[in-house]
Amino acid sequence: DVKVTQSSRYLVKRTGEKVFLECVQDMDHENMFWYRQDPGLGLRLIYFSYDVKMKEKGDIPEGYSVSREKKERFSLILESASTNQTSMYLCASGRRGNSYNEQFFGPGTRLTVL
Amino acid sequence: AQKITQTQPGMFVQEKEAVTLDCTYDTSDPSYGLFWYKQPSSGEMIFLIYQGSYDQQNATEGRYSLNFQKARKSANLVISASQLGDSAMYFCAMREGNLGGTSYGKLTFGQGTILTVHP
Repeated sequence: DVKVTQSSRYLVKRTGEKVFLECVQDMDHENMFWYRQDPGLGLRLIYFSYDVKMKEKGDIPEGYSVSREKKERFSLILESASTNQTSMYLCASGRRGNSYNEQFFGPGTRLTVL
Repeated sequence: AQKITQTQPGMFVQEKEAVTLDCTYDTSDPSYGLFWYKQPSSGEMIFLIYQGSYDQQNATEGRYSLNFQKARKSANLVISASQLGDSAMYFCAMREGNLGGTSYGKLTFGQGTILTVHP
């Protein structure tokens, strides 16, 4: 059974803390993605990676950074958490190419910043 | 401008009836793909159906079908014979071909539609 896992389902942090969200996939996918989901806004792409050590900004990268040291692992980092980063964070992975390959999602991490 | 628009924040349907969830998109790329995902209250995203811009026929997957009207730039999801388990948030998403380049599989999502199935 293919899987994308995320390190935590729920996380509570304080303003100014450094926060790490981890994502691991076991499907040998080249592409990995971080989204945040907010009511009425759908999912918005924060960052993505198409290969080890490669990263590209998505639509809302401000306040975030990412790391991909191994193919199966993609980390999202909030350097200094703020209350407006309270959200649901979803990681996804997918095969390279412009075909019909869908993205596979992890269960999500609901982050609350106090 | 919104690339993907879902104009129905919420929809209600009676069990066993059919329901259509609307999705319109905007792109100038001739090569693109359209996806529908289901998100139950548990939070996981479940892939339902895919339609490619060059596909001649509307996609179908079991009780799900995609009413693809290319000229109108719409890709509505039709769920036939609704079940209580269909109650969830539904997202429409688009992958653009990046005008011949590599899109890396990025998806742009709509705002979502919450579907409630009544017994």
